[in-house]
Parts: sequence; structure tokens; C-alpha cells
Amino acid sequence: SQKIEQNSEALNIQEGKTATLTCNYTNYSPAYLQWYRQDPGRGPVFLLLIRENEKEKRKERLKVTFDTTLKQSLFHITASQPADSATYLCALAGSGNTGKLIFGQGTTLQVKP
Amino acid sequence: GAVVSQHPSRVICKSGTSVKIECRSLDFQATTMFWYRQFPKKSLMLMATSNEGSKATYEQGVEKDKFLINHASLTLSTLTVTSAHPEDSSFYICSAREAGSYNSPLHFGNGTRLTVT
Repeated sequence: SQKIEQNSEALNIQEGKTATLTCNYTNYSPAYLQWYRQDPGRGPVFLLLIRENEKEKRKERLKVTFDTTLKQSLFHITASQPADSATYLCALAGSGNTGKLIFGQGTTLQVKP
Repeated sequence: GAVVSQHPSRVICKSGTSVKIECRSLDFQATTMFWYRQFPKKSLMLMATSNEGSKATYEQGVEKDKFLINHASLTLSTLTVTSAHPEDSSFYICSAREAGSYNSPLHFGNGTRLTVT
């Protein structure tokens, strides 16, 4: 079955550094992958989408890579700020054109001033 | 931007009663809405796909008679937790996708914290 793995350990970094979060998947070849941010007690908010034929996508301080050979996506936040502290979820399209998204368990990022 | 409104944000009910949660897309039409459940420090678990004007599609292991979903219009889906029990206590989140694109991002409501006593 499809499996998505994100590092469940919280990531603690110093303000100004680059945060790198990992999303690995198995038993699947998704057409696209999305990243979301979730704050405590709130619903997720969409950040970036990357398609299988794209190697990299950028948006302001965010960068996402997608390696379909390694079955891995990396999510980078450059010049991190305390306001970036949140849980970041990767999501893959479910099999078939159902539009369903399957989420990883998320990685909590803590940026310390 | 696309806004999804979910109500109530918190609800406490007694065991055996039913609770209805509403999910509205405020500024776009959503032919499909998704209902998720989230346990503390766990990922979102997809419960069902709600299609406007037709029956919902439930994920394996989700009881359709317990979690009733109605998607009566292009802007409203409801989830009713029937005969709630303490184990149903959880964070329920709805999401919607704008009509016409099956792979566009999901817009999420802010969730409903259900506590069954």
C-alpha cells in the first residue's frame, strides 16, 4: 500500500538558518506532491505543489525538490524565522484520478530566535 | 483567496447524542469536499470524499452509518457523528477543492474539536 514518511522528530534550528524537511514515499508513483503548513488547532494551509516532471519549485523563501527516482521530496525554508515554526505536511495524490490527497504525519519545525 | 468555513470550532456532547459539523466554501464552488480526522500529533486521516448530489465515498474502516455525510449544494457539506462515543473524540477537518481541477490544492477549514463525555 502507499506509504508516506516524514521525520516525526521535531526539527529545531536557529533563526536565519535553512530548514530542510524530508518526505519519502513507497509503493507509489504520484503525479504530483504538495506541501502544507499546519499551526496548532488550525487546518492545513497550502504552500507549494510540484509535479513529477519538475525537479524544483520555489516560492519566496521556500524551495521544494522532487526526486522520483529516490521517491523523495525535500522542503527547504531559507533564512528561517520564528514565525516559520509550525508543522509541515507533505501530501501525495491518491491512486486513480479521485483527487484524494494522502498526508504524511508531518514534521514540526521550531525556529529559535 | 478561497475560504472554507467550518462550524462549530468546538463542541462537547454527551455519549449517545449526535453532532453535526458544517463545512462551507465561501467564495468558490466545490463539487468535491473531503473529511479528515486527526489525532494528537498524528497525520490527517481521510475519512470520506463528499460529492455534490451523490453519495459519499468512504475510506476503508470508516463506518458510513456512524459518520453521515451530506453534500447538498456546491458550497455546503455536513458531517454528522451519530450516537457519539468517547472514542469519537477527535479533531475533524473538512477541505474543498475548486470545481474543475482534480489536482489543485485543497482549501481547509479550521477544524472542529469534538469531545464526547
